[in-house]
Amino acid sequence: GQSLEQPSEVTAVEGAIVQINCTYQTSGFYGLSWYQQHDGGAPTFLSYNALDGLEETGRFSSFLSRSDSYGYLLLQELQMKDSASYFCAVRSYTYNQGGKLIFGQGTELSVKP
Amino acid sequence: DGGITQSPKYLFRKEGQNVTLSCEQNLNHDAMYWYRQDPGQGLRLIYYSQIVNDFQKGDIAEGYSVSREKKESFPLTVTSAQKNPTAFYLCASTPGQTGNTIYFGEGSWLTVV
Repeated sequence: GQSLEQPSEVTAVEGAIVQINCTYQTSGFYGLSWYQQHDGGAPTFLSYNALDGLEETGRFSSFLSRSDSYGYLLLQELQMKDSASYFCAVRSYTYNQGGKLIFGQGTELSVKP
Repeated sequence: DGGITQSPKYLFRKEGQNVTLSCEQNLNHDAMYWYRQDPGQGLRLIYYSQIVNDFQKGDIAEGYSVSREKKESFPLTVTSAQKNPTAFYLCASTPGQTGNTIYFGEGSWLTVV
């Protein structure tokens, strides 16, 4: 089967740096993406890694290592508004599940003053 | 403006009733998805469609049905066979089989009374 594992919750203080890990088991996928979801809202796209390495978008960076089946989202200069749930996701290209989008269970980030 | 429109935002259903959630997109996207999210949980895939007149079951399709008669529309029916339908339902779309940025609607809250 296919699955993504994330820590259920992470706590950090304003101004700090936090890393949210995602390990996955999937036979084939296009890349790893990350989404942010505030309470009661829809997820919004943050970052995408098609290739191994680091992608930087402002305060957010994401990393992928296909050989380790591992990725992470790095949030710098944390702000209170960053308190939300963060999901990693992959898109399968296996023959019988082409295009299937799979999400991790999400990591709830709490930013404290 | 382009986007995904879900309706209704809030819906109450009596036990034994079928209800249909609407999802319309004007992004000209090929692929559309339905996810279910329970409080504090991740997104679970119900159904997805890569092309008009074709769709596949996701991980939790039992008790749900969909249709894809038009490219822009992907309605979800929650049938009476779904024993625990109270949840937040999210519709999403992507440009194609390889597109990795997922666009979400605002979601529909379904409550069984």
